[in-house]
Amino acid sequence: AQTVTQSQPEMSVQEAETVTLSCTYDTSESDYYLFWYKQPPSRQMILVIRQEAYKQQNATENRFSVNFQKAAKSFSLKISDSQLGDAAMYFCAYRTIGNQFYFGTGTSLTVIP
Amino acid sequence: KAGVTQTPRYLIKTRGQQVTLSCSPISGHRSVSWYQQTPGQGLQFLFEYFSETQRNKGNFPGRFSGRQFSNSRSEMNVSTLELGDSALYLCASSSNGGPTDTQYFGPGTRLTVL
Repeated sequence: AQTVTQSQPEMSVQEAETVTLSCTYDTSESDYYLFWYKQPPSRQMILVIRQEAYKQQNATENRFSVNFQKAAKSFSLKISDSQLGDAAMYFCAYRTIGNQFYFGTGTSLTVIP
Repeated sequence: KAGVTQTPRYLIKTRGQQVTLSCSPISGHRSVSWYQQTPGQGLQFLFEYFSETQRNKGNFPGRFSGRQFSNSRSEMNVSTLELGDSALYLCASSSNGGPTDTQYFGPGTRLTVL
């Protein structure tokens, strides 16, 4: 079974600085999809960024980018120019071709003004 | 478009009871997935429904069941509640449930089992 590991339960970053959240996963599949979701306090979970495993190029969405290393089964999220609104729980997720989702346990990000 | 809605938002039950949670997807979305979120386990996939059929199922006991109606609204039922079923239950909808579809999450139903 696939597993997703987020080894940092909590992280903090100074406003305007850069922070990287780690995620590793275990799979024997060659094709799959990876996601980072953000869950602000008492608010709905939203998609931050997505990466298809067959794409070598790292995905980027404005201030959010990933470092996808398929061989190492690593999928980290980099947040540049951190803003107060980035404070949230961040979940890394793995999606199989068959549409099964596996989530990590989350990283709580605090942004310090 | 209205977002994904879930009712009720909060629920308190006692052990042994059963509960039904409801999820209304975004208009036009045909795939609805359910997740259980707990502090220790994170999010765990329960099942996915597409066009009234269960298409995928996670590793949960048979006490957890669901269904989807012709208007894509979905319900999740948990029978014989246990203390460990206390969790935030999230549903998410997407157009077709394809791997590149974006899932939109609802606010969740907070279930407390006493």
